[in-house]
Amino acid sequence: KQEVTQIPAALSVPEGENLVLNCSFTDSAIYNLQWFRQDPGKGLTSLLLIQSSQREQTSGRLNASLDKSSGRSTLYIAASQPGDSATYLCAVADVLPSGSARQLTFGSGTQLTVLP
Amino acid sequence: SQTIHQWPATLVQPVGSPLSLECTVEGTSNPNLYWYRQAAGRGLQLLFYSVGIGQISSEVPQNLSASRPQDRQFILSSKKLLLSDSGFYLCAWSPWGGRPNQPQHFGDGTRLSIL
Repeated sequence: KQEVTQIPAALSVPEGENLVLNCSFTDSAIYNLQWFRQDPGKGLTSLLLIQSSQREQTSGRLNASLDKSSGRSTLYIAASQPGDSATYLCAVADVLPSGSARQLTFGSGTQLTVLP
Repeated sequence: SQTIHQWPATLVQPVGSPLSLECTVEGTSNPNLYWYRQAAGRGLQLLFYSVGIGQISSEVPQNLSASRPQDRQFILSSKKLLLSDSGFYLCAWSPWGGRPNQPQHFGDGTRLSIL
């Protein structure tokens, strides 16, 4: 059974700092890995998706890397801003018996606070 | 563009009452649909998924059921709610076929409180 762990559980940084969020998973036979952002009381916003054959993806100030063999992914946020404050979730996609559907197994998230 | 709608946004129900949460997707056909729950202090857990009308699969045994009466409509139900059903329920969709570069997209969720 896939297990996903995120470290740290909470992080507080001053504005402008670069930071790294960590995600590890136990079964390396993944389909893809997604990073999400969740604001309090809200749904999930997809930030980046890395296919199992890829090593990294970039979107603006965000860069996500994937090392499938070691079961690790990192989310790098450059020049953090107060608006980046949210919970960041890592999710690993596995194939479901149906064939086309994918199960996402989530970590517990990292709660990020960027102080002005 | 595709959009996903969930309602209601918030719901307070007494123990033993029935439940119906609805999710609809616009702008796509034959989506894969999912129901997740985020319980207090716990991570998101997949409850049900569907790859087509009338096709429902359950990932965990529970007090809830799901139905897909139309291609882009996914309903989560219960005949009698338990206290343990409290949580934040999220509906998601992904394109049919499930290629590796296709993410799951989530709705805004329903916060369910059982009294």
